Amino acid sequence: LAKTTQPISMDSYEGQEVNITCSHNNIATNDYITWYQQFPSQGPRFIIQGYKTKVTNEVASLFIPADRKSSTLSLPRVSLSDTAVYYCLVGDRATGGFKTIFGAGTRLFVKA
Amino acid sequence: DAGVTQSPTHLIKTRGQHVTLRCSPISGHKSVSWYQQVLGQGPQFIFQYYEKEERGRGNFPDRFSARQFPNYSSELNVNALLLGDSALYLCASSLPRGTDTQYFGPGTRLTVL
Repeated sequence: LAKTTQPISMDSYEGQEVNITCSHNNIATNDYITWYQQFPSQGPRFIIQGYKTKVTNEVASLFIPADRKSSTLSLPRVSLSDTAVYYCLVGDRATGGFKTIFGAGTRLFVKA
Repeated sequence: DAGVTQSPTHLIKTRGQHVTLRCSPISGHKSVSWYQQVLGQGPQFIFQYYEKEERGRGNFPDRFSARQFPNYSSELNVNALLLGDSALYLCASSLPRGTDTQYFGPGTRLTVL
């Protein structure tokens, strides 16, 4: 089963760019990399997903090197409202079913 | 567009009781997954259902069961509740595209006393 490793927490200041790196050494060929954001007492919210190279949307960018054993979520110019837990997931297809494995996530604190 | 909805929002039960949690997926989504999230931890996978059949099961005891209905809504049942079952229970729906993007509901906060 593919697992991920992320920093437990990160601090930043408003207006800065934040990069959160995730390691997934056992990623399988068909697996995608997905990042979610979660605020307290709410369900996780999809941020971005990618398979290789670079993906960009209106809120973030995802950088994936050629070996796909890691990925970096980049949040440009963070604000106080970006304070949340960020989860990196690798799509896992266990035999006979699907499983999505969340790690402990990275707690991002954005300061004024 | 309506997102994933879950009911009830909050629930208080006592040990040994039974609970049923409900989830309605986003329109057009045929897959529903259930997660348990204990305070301070990431969500833990419980079940995934697709087209009313169980497609995946996490490491949870048999006290946990679920089902999916023809309209793709789902129920999670937990029997013989324990104090340790207190958690936020999350439902997520997705399209069966094979990319595993899931859209989560707001969750049901279960407290077992």
